[in-house]
Amino acid sequence: DQQVKQNSPSLSVQEGRISILNCDYTNSMFDYFLWYKKYPAEGPTFLISISSIKDKNEDGRFTVFLNKSAKHLSLHIVPSQPGDSAVYFCAAKERNNDMRFGAGTRLTVKP
Amino acid sequence: EAQVTQNPRYLITVTGKKLTVTCSQNMNHEYMSWYRQDPGLGLRQIYYSMNVEVTDKGDVPEGYKVSRKEKRNFPLILESPSPNQTSLYFCASSPYGGRGAVYSNQPQHFGDGTRLSIL
Repeated sequence: DQQVKQNSPSLSVQEGRISILNCDYTNSMFDYFLWYKKYPAEGPTFLISISSIKDKNEDGRFTVFLNKSAKHLSLHIVPSQPGDSAVYFCAAKERNNDMRFGAGTRLTVKP
Repeated sequence: EAQVTQNPRYLITVTGKKLTVTCSQNMNHEYMSWYRQDPGLGLRQIYYSMNVEVTDKGDVPEGYKVSRKEKRNFPLILESPSPNQTSLYFCASSPYGGRGAVYSNQPQHFGDGTRLSIL
């Protein structure tokens, strides 16, 4: 049973536009959420995180939004750049528990 | 340079031939874990370790073994590999983290992956 779901396997956007990647979760005990970015032939790298006590966290071009009532997480990238093309994994964890990952969304940013 | 190193990066082998994938980190992290990545399933945890000589099963431990004799190393052992273990494997580490830790919200650092093909 996948507790973290990324329902869009792929997303394509134009350079300079906004990319919005979505993630839904089912476990209401999750209290910390992360986004990882993965390039081909490399391991995932940490991108941004958010605690359940917040609803927004921003880091440069990347903003993560958390809607606890909807159990929904999203990552906004503005403006999108070709170098952002990668697979993005959403992850969630309970306090003192291990991480659960979504299946990933492949983002393609076209020049 | 802080890193998690996995070896080998690629391996093609046959059913039943024991293999070991090594993982080493140079960040003095307590927590280490192994994941496998399969299409449509994302990253699923196989085993994890909170510290030396402490290991526990993740979500998909069947057919795998691990050991943690030293803090920096966390090898993944497939005693009798089968074709359903063909996958992309990642080792990861983080400071603290996992059950019982005080500071558990630390991002994990991943290795570059090992692609295993079991024929």
